[in-house]
Amino acid sequence: DTAVSQTPKYLVTQMGNDKSIKCEQNLGHDTMYWYKQDSKKFLKIMFSYNNKELIINETVPNRFSPKSPDKAHLNLHINSLELGDSAVYFCASNTGANTEAFFGQGTRLTVV
Amino acid sequence: GDSVTQMEGPVTLSEEAFLTINCTYTATGYPSLFWYVQYPGEGLQLLLKATKADDKGSNKGFEATYRKETTSFHLEKGSVQVSDSAVYFCALSVRTGANSKLTFGKGITLSVRP
Repeated sequence: DTAVSQTPKYLVTQMGNDKSIKCEQNLGHDTMYWYKQDSKKFLKIMFSYNNKELIINETVPNRFSPKSPDKAHLNLHINSLELGDSAVYFCASNTGANTEAFFGQGTRLTVV
Repeated sequence: GDSVTQMEGPVTLSEEAFLTINCTYTATGYPSLFWYVQYPGEGLQLLLKATKADDKGSNKGFEATYRKETTSFHLEKGSVQVSDSAVYFCALSVRTGANSKLTFGKGITLSVRP
């Protein structure tokens, strides 16, 4: 069984479009995250949710809006996509502070 | 703020060579330390971790010791294999209330040739 699953795995879209990435975890974790990995492999946290409540919101453009309908799901919606949004987006989850995070396979977003 | 510094890469080694990947950190609190590995086309997997000073994490022949005095968590393996070719990330996590976030180093690409 997949612990943290993201869909889609690949997403190619044009500038200006709106797109969503979905994430689900079946580990019973309370906390979920979105990370962005750029072309140089650098990973930066974007958002963190704990029991559906937004905990961390790093300096991310307002075009990015996370939504957590329940603690097993954390979706990422992106409005008005720009070329610079091209990256791999990873969803992750853990049980709480300082515990191991489990990552999804990533969504490679390409904006053309 | 919290940060992790990894040695510059990439690193290319021959099979059975000894591996050391340096990692140092700065943290406002008392962090837990992690090494994650990313194989081509995949997500990150936890390789090993240490939660307090002098702890040694180990897995798959890899080891790292939490050194508070030198704020380091260097990754070592005595004999690398071709299958170890991947990107390696050092990370820390500091508790803030009931939550925490992982702060990653820049990652280093390891290539092992037969």
